[in-house]
Amino acid sequence: EIVMTQSPATLPVSPGERVTLSCRASQSVAGKLAWYQQRPRQAPRLLIYGASTRATGVPARFSGSGSGTEFTLTISSLQSEDFAVYYCQLYDHWPPFTFGQGTRLEIK
Amino acid sequence: QVYLVQSGPDVKKPGASVEVSCKASGFTFTGYYIHWVRQAPGQGLEWMGWINLNSGVTQYAQTFEGRVTMSRDASISTTYMELSRLTSDDTAVYFCARVHLWQTPTDAFDIWGQGTEVTVSS
Repeated sequence: EIVMTQSPATLPVSPGERVTLSCRASQSVAGKLAWYQQRPRQAPRLLIYGASTRATGVPARFSGSGSGTEFTLTISSLQSEDFAVYYCQLYDHWPPFTFGQGTRLEIK
Repeated sequence: QVYLVQSGPDVKKPGASVEVSCKASGFTFTGYYIHWVRQAPGQGLEWMGWINLNSGVTQYAQTFEGRVTMSRDASISTTYMELSRLTSDDTAVYFCARVHLWQTPTDAFDIWGQGTEVTVSS
C-alpha cells in the first residue's frame, strides 16, 4: 500500500505570503496526483490534477509540481479565502485514491 | 451546471444500516464513475469505493468490504451508498464525488456532493 504523507500538519501563514505544501509518496508514483482544498463545513474542491494541471476555475496563484515521490502545491500570494485544509490524493495504484492526512493553513 | 445533491442528515442506532443518496444533474449520468468518501469529525478524508454508473460495477475499499453496497438508478440519475452494521466509528460526513474523466474510475474527483452527516448513537 502506498502511503501519502503531507507536511506540515499545520502551517501558520500571513495573507500575501508565498506558501509551499509538501506531499510525499512512500514509493514512486506515476503522477496521478491531485490536490484538494476544503474550507470548514464544505466539501473538498479539486484544485490540481495530474500533479500540475489546474482544474477549471482555479485561480492562477495555485500551482502544482513534482514527480516520483515528491509533490508540492504552491500558493503564490495567500488570500484570506485560502485559509483551509489541503489534501493530496493519489488516484492510481491499488489501493487507489489514497488521501494524505492534510495540511491546515492558519492565520499567523 | 453540474451538480451532485445528497440526501439529508440521518441519525441511526448501532447495528442499523444507513442509505445515502446522491442525485446527479447537468451531465450524462451513465458516462461516469462516482466515488464515495467519508470524513469523521475533525479527521481527514477516507475513500470508500466507486461505482460505474453505466454498468453498476463496483469496487470497495477493503475496510468496508462486506458492509457497504453502492448502487444506482439511471432512470432518476441517482446513486446510493448503503452502510450496514453501524457503530459509533461510522459517525461521519459522507460525500459522493464524480470522476473528472469520462468512463474511467482512475482520475481526480472534480464534482462533489455537499455531504451527508450520519450520526450513530444509542
